[in-house]
Amino acid sequence: EADIYQTPRYLVIGTGKKITLECSQTMGHDKMYWYQQDPGMELHLIHYSYGVNSTEKGDLSSESTVSRIRTEHFPLTLESARPSHTSQYLCASSEEGWTANEKLFFGSGTQLSVL
Amino acid sequence: AQKITQTQPGMFVQEKEAVTLDCTYDTSDPSYGLFWYKQPSSGEMIFLIYQGSYDQQNATEGRYSLNFQKARKSANLVISASQLGDSAMYFCAMRGVSGSARQLTFGSGTQLTVLP
Repeated sequence: EADIYQTPRYLVIGTGKKITLECSQTMGHDKMYWYQQDPGMELHLIHYSYGVNSTEKGDLSSESTVSRIRTEHFPLTLESARPSHTSQYLCASSEEGWTANEKLFFGSGTQLSVL
Repeated sequence: AQKITQTQPGMFVQEKEAVTLDCTYDTSDPSYGLFWYKQPSSGEMIFLIYQGSYDQQNATEGRYSLNFQKARKSANLVISASQLGDSAMYFCAMRGVSGSARQLTFGSGTQLTVLP
């Protein structure tokens, strides 16, 4: 199993604050992803990265930004949090290559609440 | 564009019985993979089973099996001998091999509750 870690697990903050959600993986995976999930709903891809210095926006438009300076680290930043950003954010990683059977390994998620 | 449809928002099953969670898909990719993930109330996504579009046999992983009917574009998950710990949200997902279809697309999920 891949080891992928997200911190914090829960975050409650006020409107207007800048926040960074951390995601790290120890498997050396090139590809990493951020998904957003509202309670009881499907996951939506908001950002992904194919490797260092590579980032792309996903299907769901998001005001967040990401960076990939190191292979193992893929943080997500919100410059000014709003209540509409309240959601669960899931980080995932997968090995290189593009095959149909490529499996994603997920972190435990960060539940963000913006008051 | 590819699409996953899960039509059962919630399902109940008695402990030790089998249950089938439905999933249908749509894609123009000739080669694709189908996945099922389990999400307990704690929030993490746990990989359960995978089926390739060209696999001749239905996938099985312990108590999980995937009933793959390619002509009907369905990939239903069967859980045998349900346990209380199976209570969770279950997501069907798929991936193609070309363009944006290479990203994993998820269905809306089915909330399974196992009754004692």
